[in-house]
Amino acid sequence: EAQVTQNPRYLITVTGKKLTVTCSQNMNHEYMSWYRQDPGLGLRQIYYSMNVEVTDKGDVPEGYKVSRKEKRNFPLILESPSPNQTSLYFCASSLVSQNVGNQPQHFGDGTRLSIL
Amino acid sequence: SQQGEEDPQALSIQEGENATMNCSYKTSINNLQWYRQNSGRGLVHLILIRSNEREKHSGRLRVTLDTSKKSSSLLITASRAADTASYFCATDAEDSSYKLIFGSGTRLLVRP
Repeated sequence: EAQVTQNPRYLITVTGKKLTVTCSQNMNHEYMSWYRQDPGLGLRQIYYSMNVEVTDKGDVPEGYKVSRKEKRNFPLILESPSPNQTSLYFCASSLVSQNVGNQPQHFGDGTRLSIL
Repeated sequence: SQQGEEDPQALSIQEGENATMNCSYKTSINNLQWYRQNSGRGLVHLILIRSNEREKHSGRLRVTLDTSKKSSSLLITASRAADTASYFCATDAEDSSYKLIFGSGTRLLVRP
């Protein structure tokens, strides 16, 4: 089954403790991205990747890192999490990187992070 | 930056009625997409409409696009309880072909 898989689905942790949220897709998609969803703000893009070893900042990249060493995986790293990073996070992918606006995005089921 | 703004923020209707949600955006676009999000789940793509299209249908969904008014609407006909979800529009970003900009969504409740 074609899917985007995120882990963990839920995580409660403390300020400053490094964490990684994994994202994997099995559709051989070129483009992958991370969003955070906060009440009243919709989805805001954190980082995106156009292909292996090619990443760029979205609208809210501060406090996050990403890597794309393999085509299928795009982990999101919080080196020193803070309470303002408490949010619902989504990974998404699409077939090619050019003109993502004309391609459906495939989303994972989300990761709810609580940072105390 | 937020490009799409959905209206209303919340909508409650009876099963069988039609639901209309609107999306307004600020800059010129090439494409506009609509997504549905069920509670606790990821977004699911519903429909994509290009700037040279005025209307598109998919099952009980009808999307219109008015580029002169910078707005789009999503109509769900003969709604069902299973249509209860949040609905988001998403547009191309003005400054990059690698970004999508999402609105804040409309929460639809369909009462049985």
